[in-house]
Amino acid sequence: DVKVTQSSRYLVKRTGEKVFLECVQDMDHENMFWYRQDPGLGLRLIYFSYDVKMKEKGDIPEGYSVSREKKERFSLILESASTNQTSMYLCASSPAVLGQTYYGYTFGSGTRLTVV
Amino acid sequence: TQLLEQSPQFLSIQEGENLTVYCNSSSVFSSLQWYRQEPGEGPVLLVTVVTGGEVKKLKRLTFQFGDARKDSSLHITAAQPGDTGLYLCAGGGANAGGTSYGKLTFGQGTILTVHP
Repeated sequence: DVKVTQSSRYLVKRTGEKVFLECVQDMDHENMFWYRQDPGLGLRLIYFSYDVKMKEKGDIPEGYSVSREKKERFSLILESASTNQTSMYLCASSPAVLGQTYYGYTFGSGTRLTVV
Repeated sequence: TQLLEQSPQFLSIQEGENLTVYCNSSSVFSSLQWYRQEPGEGPVLLVTVVTGGEVKKLKRLTFQFGDARKDSSLHITAAQPGDTGLYLCAGGGANAGGTSYGKLTFGQGTILTVHP
């Protein structure tokens, strides 16, 4: 069964801590994405990557960075956690776009991060 | 910026009723996808539609892509409590091609509750 695995389901961190969220996919997908999901705001794209060591900012990259050293792994880093980063974080992957064909995302189960 | 507007935001119905969720945009999309998300989990892809006017059926769920590829609808017949969840539509840009790296635009979602 193909999957995207996020390292933690629940995480509680203190303000100012550096936080690492890990995501691994086993489908050999080129594209990987990090979203945060908040009530009333929907899914907001933080960063995405279309290849190893390549990354692009999404709509809300401030306060975050990412790392993709291997094709299967995409890490989200909160440089200095703040309470407004309390959220559900979702990782997703997809194959590369072929022409105009957009493939569906496979999402992980999410990490519920609370910053206190 | 491409936007997708979903309506209604909330839907609370009794088991056995029919319902329709709408996804509208002023932009043209090359494909449109529908996802369902259950509490505490990541979204799961239900269907992808790529041709204007296309209709796809998945058991009691019927998905339609508008002729102009700017809108889509999800119709559920005889809803069951197991249909409860957050329904998300997502579009892939028509003009971005490979440079968009498969980035999707998500609607805000429709929270469906089906009461026994």
